[in-house]
This record gives sequence, C-alpha cells and structure tokens, in this order.
Amino acid sequence: QKEVEQDPGPLSVPEGAIVSLNCTYSNSAFQYFMWYRQYSRKGPELLMYTYSSGNKEDGRFTAQVDKSSKYISLFIRDSQPSDSATYLCAMNYGNNRLAFGKGNQVVVIP
Amino acid sequence: KAGVTQTPRYLIKTRGQQVTLSCSPISGHRSVSWYQQTPGQGLQFLFEYFSETQRNKGNFPGRFSGRQFSNSRSEMNVSTLELGDSALYLCASSLDSGGDGYTFGSGTRLTVV
Repeated sequence: QKEVEQDPGPLSVPEGAIVSLNCTYSNSAFQYFMWYRQYSRKGPELLMYTYSSGNKEDGRFTAQVDKSSKYISLFIRDSQPSDSATYLCAMNYGNNRLAFGKGNQVVVIP
Repeated sequence: KAGVTQTPRYLIKTRGQQVTLSCSPISGHRSVSWYQQTPGQGLQFLFEYFSETQRNKGNFPGRFSGRQFSNSRSEMNVSTLELGDSALYLCASSLDSGGDGYTFGSGTRLTVV
C-alpha cells in the first residue's frame, strides 16, 4: 500500500463550479499537509500548507485535514479556466522528504 | 528573486550512458531535494542534501547519486541508464526543513532511448 493515495482520474468541470479533490494516507506520523498545483512543463508550486486538523482558507481555496480518518481535501470555489492544472497532495513529518499523491488533472471548461 | 534553476531542461541519452543534472537553489537556501516524476509512479523522493551532506535518501538504486557544493548548488548523477529512468527530474530548495518553504524548479526532462 502506498503511503499516500490520490485517485489520479482526470476531472472536468464547468467554469464557476466547485472542484473537490482528496487524498488518504496510511502513515499516522505525517504531521504537515500540502497541496501543490502543477502546470504543464512546470514544477509544482505550493498552494496550501497546514499542520492541524480542520479547515484552512486562502481566497477561493480551502484545505481540509481530518487526522483521525487520515484524509485530506482541497476545495476550489468559483473555478476558473486558469485553475486547469494537475493538483498534487503531499505530506511529511517535518523533514524535507515529501510523500506525494499521484495527482489529479483538473480541466475547467469556459 | 530568482527561483530554482535546473539545467538542462531537456536531455536525450542512450541506454547504458550516464547523465548529470544540475540544480541551483534560491539564494540562501541550504537544502536541496531531488524527485523523479513519472506518469506511473508520480513524484518519488530521491534524496536531500543540506550543507553538502546527504540528509535523507529515498528507495532508489545506487545508480542514482548526488552531491552538493559549498554554494548549495547540487548535481545528481544517474549511471548505466535504463529505459525506465525516462522521467521528469525535479529539484526543490528550502531554507531548512518543513514543507512551507519548499520551492520547485521546472525540472529536467530526461528521455532514455
């Protein structure tokens, strides 16, 4: 079993819809949780970073962590065509060795 | 400020050859980590260097090696290339530990033929 599971299926949504992405993990030692966005031919860029259970909002983005269920989510409100990218969850326990999910390719259709 | 710079951007090599990839971190960042990204396995951690010392290592064979110089620039080397080594190789730099200060470069796309 991989440490981090993210259903890698593509997701197409109409502009303005809510995008919902999630990951599960098996290593209870993970303490820090991140969501990255990766555009084609670019490296991942950090979107959200959190280390506690609960919700964290940043503009149109909300990251949710449930440590008891080992489950994290990312919600994108009012999605825009510019949000079309691959979204990767990542986590670690305080060092620089990140464990990543496989990523979801999101397409926002105008 | 300048981001993480990886060179070259693209590389084509033949099976059995070796390759060296370079990463220049953000100024002041002392930690450099390397990842391999493939469609099948996603992003996988290779190793991390901090102040010229390997601090963490992933589960890759010994053909994959790296080093870091006193100016924090890092190189990774892959010897005896195999077709399965074709991937996007990403490096990330940070001041020290933790995920929030982690910045990735745009990667080197390696194709082994």
